[in-house]
Amino acid sequence: SQTIHQWPATLVQPVGSPLSLECTVEGTSNPNLYWYRQAAGRGLQLLFYSVGIGQISSEVPQNLSASRPQDRQFILSSKKLLLSDSGFYLCAWSTLDRALFGPGTRLTVT
Amino acid sequence: AQSVTQLDSQVPVFEEAPVELRCNYSSSVSVYLFWYVQYPNQGLQLLLKYLSGSTLVKGINGFEAEFNKSQTSFHLRKPSVHISDTAEYFCAVSKGTSYDKVIFGPGTSLSVIP
Repeated sequence: SQTIHQWPATLVQPVGSPLSLECTVEGTSNPNLYWYRQAAGRGLQLLFYSVGIGQISSEVPQNLSASRPQDRQFILSSKKLLLSDSGFYLCAWSTLDRALFGPGTRLTVT
Repeated sequence: AQSVTQLDSQVPVFEEAPVELRCNYSSSVSVYLFWYVQYPNQGLQLLLKYLSGSTLVKGINGFEAEFNKSQTSFHLRKPSVHISDTAEYFCAVSKGTSYDKVIFGPGTSLSVIP
């Protein structure tokens, strides 16, 4: 069966600091991978998706970036965090008929 | 491009009462439809999905949803809610082709009142 790992689970970072959130997938190959953000009191926003190594599509322009250095690894980064980057970040993997989500990372920017 | 609308951001309902959470989508092509639930401080869990076939789909925890192509809707229903159903519910859509991204609605917060 497929599983998704995300770390860290929680993170508190000051404004202006860098960010690196990592997601890895097990039990599948060449998955479609996604980063979603869930801000407090708001729904899920698709940030990035990737259909393969080195292939990243950005859905929302912002100060975040994503990379896919390996088939089952997806990284979300920022050079300088903003207060508005606070939220719950979810990595996901999708097949034809569903999306499987990781446990999420709760990011608080202070 | 697809989009998903959930008209009710918050739905309070008394325990053992029925509930309907509304979802409408827009797409020019055939779609797959999903409902996900997020319990407090937890990740997302698939409730049910419509891919093809019968328009009435039954999911976990007594929930069901009906796909209505003419109204482009996929409303979620439960005949009698429990306190444990208090959660955030997300409707989602993906194109009916292989490996397309899943787009989520803004979510509906269901609060079950004892």
